[in-house]
Amino acid sequence: GESVGLHLPTLSVQEGDNSIINCAYSNSASDYFIWYKQESGKGPQFIIDIRSNMDKRQGQRVTVLLNKTVKHLSLQIAATQPGDSAVYFCAENRAYGGATNKLIFGTGTLLAVQP
Amino acid sequence: GAVVSQHPSWVICKSGTSVKIECRSLDFQATTMFWYRQFPKQSLMLMATSNEGSKATYEQGVEKDKFLINHASLTLSTLTVTSAHPEDSSFYICSARKGLAAAYEQYFGPGTRLTVT
Repeated sequence: GESVGLHLPTLSVQEGDNSIINCAYSNSASDYFIWYKQESGKGPQFIIDIRSNMDKRQGQRVTVLLNKTVKHLSLQIAATQPGDSAVYFCAENRAYGGATNKLIFGTGTLLAVQP
Repeated sequence: GAVVSQHPSWVICKSGTSVKIECRSLDFQATTMFWYRQFPKQSLMLMATSNEGSKATYEQGVEKDKFLINHASLTLSTLTVTSAHPEDSSFYICSARKGLAAAYEQYFGPGTRLTVT
């Protein structure tokens, strides 16, 4: 079936460095993408989103890039901090007719920030 | 804000018993709520979509008679795991959407850790 997958299951970076987390999606009809951060034992926390009519969106210390040609999504975190250590998921929004939308989650990447 | 709560945050039950998990939208009305299951070191898997006042729509492979979902009001959805078994032990997460006009906005609860012994 269709899925959203990640290239790197674990990413280890030094504090202060920039982090890049990648995600590949397979459904070209998906029109909205979201990055979530999940800390151990907690629910997903919204980080940043992007619609399919955009290729870049910036937030505070985070940037999401969307390449629809190759169906690729990335999350860039600038000046990574220990508090950024968590699992990061990309999710794609798909409409299944009418007003029904579903979020399909990728497999996740564990970001480990070394002090 | 848009806050979603879950109760309980964790629960331990014996095999064969049933357990109910509540999902509440605290400061908004949720026309649609979603239930996810997450096993350790894995992603969130959508179990079902619940619309207020109607039957839930279950994803393929999810047993509707085992995972009973009720969305009786615009602020409350419940998931009941019936005749629980150790393989049902998981992290259950709900999310809520404000309305059809806000189709993209989903707000997640903190999750409920279920352990079946």
